[in-house]
Amino acid sequence: DAGVIQSPRHEVTEMGQEVTLRCKPISGHDYLFWYRQTMMRGLELLIYFNNNVPIDDSGMPEDRFSAKMPNASFSTLKIQPSEPRDSAVYFCASSLAGREDSYEQYFGPGTRLTVT
Amino acid sequence: GQNIDQPTEMTATEGAIVQINCTYQTSGFNGLFWYQQHAGEAPTFLSYNVLDGLEEKGRFSSFLSRSKGYSYLLLKELQMKDSASYLCAVRDSNYQLIWGAGTKLIIKP
Repeated sequence: DAGVIQSPRHEVTEMGQEVTLRCKPISGHDYLFWYRQTMMRGLELLIYFNNNVPIDDSGMPEDRFSAKMPNASFSTLKIQPSEPRDSAVYFCASSLAGREDSYEQYFGPGTRLTVT
Repeated sequence: GQNIDQPTEMTATEGAIVQINCTYQTSGFNGLFWYQQHAGEAPTFLSYNVLDGLEEKGRFSSFLSRSKGYSYLLLKELQMKDSASYLCAVRDSNYQLIWGAGTKLIIKP
């Protein structure tokens, strides 16, 4: 398997613009997670899906952030409008039945977002 | 609240042994994970503990004491490629991962 795929790898945009990050999880994985990582705050869970259904979005910073998972092989994280404080690395991760045993999360390479 | 504490940075010498500690206070406990993250890369899974005791995997071992809310990652025969951040994460009663800020390990020749 190719692992978790994210695009784009780097995104530079101006404040106020819409940003869409994309993720393809590992085939067969039931759970998909969106994280944000910064030096100041470390790794933060934004939202996660189970079988394409959003389970917990309490980590989404505000209404400017939205995430969808229209099918088992694709998810998007959208920021509209973007702000400089959104600059971070955004990771997508997937795992098998996340409630069980040692099912670890597999991370994608991340999208480095810079908002100027 | 939920809290995971790890040292911010540690330095060790190539060939030596280093222990990275992690203490946690979470609402429930359903396992503890250690991940390795090289600079500019994604975290990758290292180990998992759910019962008290030591789990060994090659040069890396992880220990857990649930009663003390404590874990450590032990790295033996350190190599330069072990220079990375090491993240401790606890799965809470809602089966969500709560992440520590990570420990940056610097290996010197």
